[in-house]
Amino acid sequence: GAGVSQTPSNKVTEKGKYVELRCDPISGHTALYWYRQSLGQGPEFLIYFQGTGAADDSGLPNDRFFAVRPEGSVSTLKIQRTERGDSAMYLCASSSRLAGAYNEQFFGPGTRLTVL
Amino acid sequence: AQSVTQPDIHITVSEGASLELRCNYSYGATPYLFWYVQSPGQGLQLLLKYFSGDTLVQGIKGFEAEFKRSQSSFNLRKPSVHWSDAAEYFCAVGKAAGNKLTFGGGTRVLVKP
Repeated sequence: GAGVSQTPSNKVTEKGKYVELRCDPISGHTALYWYRQSLGQGPEFLIYFQGTGAADDSGLPNDRFFAVRPEGSVSTLKIQRTERGDSAMYLCASSSRLAGAYNEQFFGPGTRLTVL
Repeated sequence: AQSVTQPDIHITVSEGASLELRCNYSYGATPYLFWYVQSPGQGLQLLLKYFSGDTLVQGIKGFEAEFKRSQSSFNLRKPSVHWSDAAEYFCAVGKAAGNKLTFGGGTRVLVKP
């Protein structure tokens, strides 16, 4: 079956611009996660959705970052007034939420964002 | 707060030799521990996980890891490395199954022919 997909795979933008990154989770997965991976580092948690609501957004670095998941499936990560420091690989993962079971996170290939 | 340390940034190993990647974690309760592998252009793939029970866990691709509570470690091992094992490896800790993960900085493995 299809895995987690992310579009675009690469995004180049200019400082100050607005960008949207899209994540299509595995069908039926109710949990969705965004992580950011800077060059040479491990992924860092940004936000976690359970269904349509953000259950934990403690990793969002500031109010320029926002994410939505209006229908509980596709999610969009939105970055306003991009800065050069936002350049990174943005990873999305999804998982099921079966009670009492381990819910493995399946990762997409990521979107590489470059802010010039 | 939970944290994960991978002391080795790079490791070079000859094909056929054994491999051990170190991981130390800091967490106040029983941790959920994971090892992921990331190949260029690929997403993160789960190699193995530890929740409880037997402290030696087996994963995919011939990897295993041992949980040592007294040392706060979860080291990854493979007896005989293949060229296809060249990749970046990440150790991660989670608060509970299905919740957010905290990753280490990663170890890049290079395999010499």
